[in-house]
Amino acid sequence: KNEVEQSPQNLTAQEGEFITINCSYSVGISALHWLQQHPGGGIVSLFMLSSGKKKHGRLIATINIQEKHSSLHITASHPRDSAVYICAVRRNDMRFGAGTRLTVKP
Amino acid sequence: ETGVTQSPTHLIKTRGQQVTLRCSSQSGHNTVSWYQQALGQGPQFIFQYYREEENGRGNFPPRFSGLQFPNYSSELNVNALELDDSALYLCASSLDREFTGELFFGEGSRLTVL
Repeated sequence: KNEVEQSPQNLTAQEGEFITINCSYSVGISALHWLQQHPGGGIVSLFMLSSGKKKHGRLIATINIQEKHSSLHITASHPRDSAVYICAVRRNDMRFGAGTRLTVKP
Repeated sequence: ETGVTQSPTHLIKTRGQQVTLRCSSQSGHNTVSWYQQALGQGPQFIFQYYREEENGRGNFPPRFSGLQFPNYSSELNVNALELDDSALYLCASSLDREFTGELFFGEGSRLTVL
């Protein structure tokens, strides 16, 4: 079993919908990252969390350390949000989820 | 634009050959980490360099090695290439070797081993 599990694996939404991507992990961590990867490969760091909640524009990330769970929310989704979203946890190294492929249709 | 550049962007090698991938970190960042991402999978941590020394390694064999230079740029070397080494190789730079700071990723080097 992977130490970092994401759900769903694939997600298709209509423009404007509210989107939630979940990440569960089974190990102790010092921080959790949400990353965005567009076709072609480059990765952009969206959030780094060690507790609570962070918001940036239409993106919100939350983490519950006790439950070992984090969520990434996208409000008013747009086709340009289409990408793979990856959860990664920091210990003395980095462990990554397999990613959630999001497609937002106009 | 993260300020982290990787070269080459694409390359093709044959089994048994050796490859060197390069990464220039963002200005002021003293830590570089390398990742392997096979098609359709999440990245896997290879190793991290802090101030020219390796200070963390994932589950990769010794034929994966690296260097960090005084200007904090870095190289990933892979010897005796195998077909399964075909992947996107990503580097990331940060200010902090303890993985508590933000990571800035390059665009990656896509390696195909035939």
